[in-house]
Amino acid sequence: ETGVTQTPRHLVMGMTNKKSLKCEQHLGHNAMYWYKQSAKKPLELMFVYNFKEQTENNSVPSRFSPECPNSSHLFLHLHTLQPEDSALYLCASSRQGLAGTDTQYFGPGTRLTVL
Amino acid sequence: GDSVTQMEGPVTLSEEAFLTINCTYTATGYPSLFWYVQYPGEGLQLLLKATKADDKGSNKGFEATYRKETTSFHLEKGSVQVSDSAVYFCALSDQSPSNSNSGYALNFGKGTSLLVTP
Repeated sequence: ETGVTQTPRHLVMGMTNKKSLKCEQHLGHNAMYWYKQSAKKPLELMFVYNFKEQTENNSVPSRFSPECPNSSHLFLHLHTLQPEDSALYLCASSRQGLAGTDTQYFGPGTRLTVL
Repeated sequence: GDSVTQMEGPVTLSEEAFLTINCTYTATGYPSLFWYVQYPGEGLQLLLKATKADDKGSNKGFEATYRKETTSFHLEKGSVQVSDSAVYFCALSDQSPSNSNSGYALNFGKGTSLLVTP
């Protein structure tokens, strides 16, 4: 049973649209992550938030804008995307700082298609 | 930097066959090692983990042993079922102090697709 939910599960958008992906975790974790999963490529870490502060940004284009208003919610704001941005976007959370509890728990993902 | 290499797929097996999916890693610190599974249309689920050398992770009949001498964490199952058909990802989490602000970011392998036929 996953304690991480993502909405929407599927999203189709044009290159000029603005949309947002939402992630919510019910596990009491303090770190949250966005990953991109494209066909034939390894999972790519996009952003890391630790105690609501962004601690990592893996050279992600500015058309992706994360927001973490509290330790339970994470958003990914999308604008002027390109067709190559079509992918499965996965959210994960973990408890950071405690030995043996660094496991990340994933949501079901949002399947994004950019037309 | 840290990295994970796992065998290329797809792997096709008959039901009740023995499964091995190889995974090797490179890391400068003392990583934790994980196997995640992704069923069609779903996100990743933790299958098993090991946090130190010689630890064996196990779950749902799957096992993997953390071998520091060979830097490996191979996934095995004695008798696979059709319901095991999925993509399996090996991953490591670097627990080095210099990475402590990144929430133990995971490095994933490319994934190995497994298809089990009746």
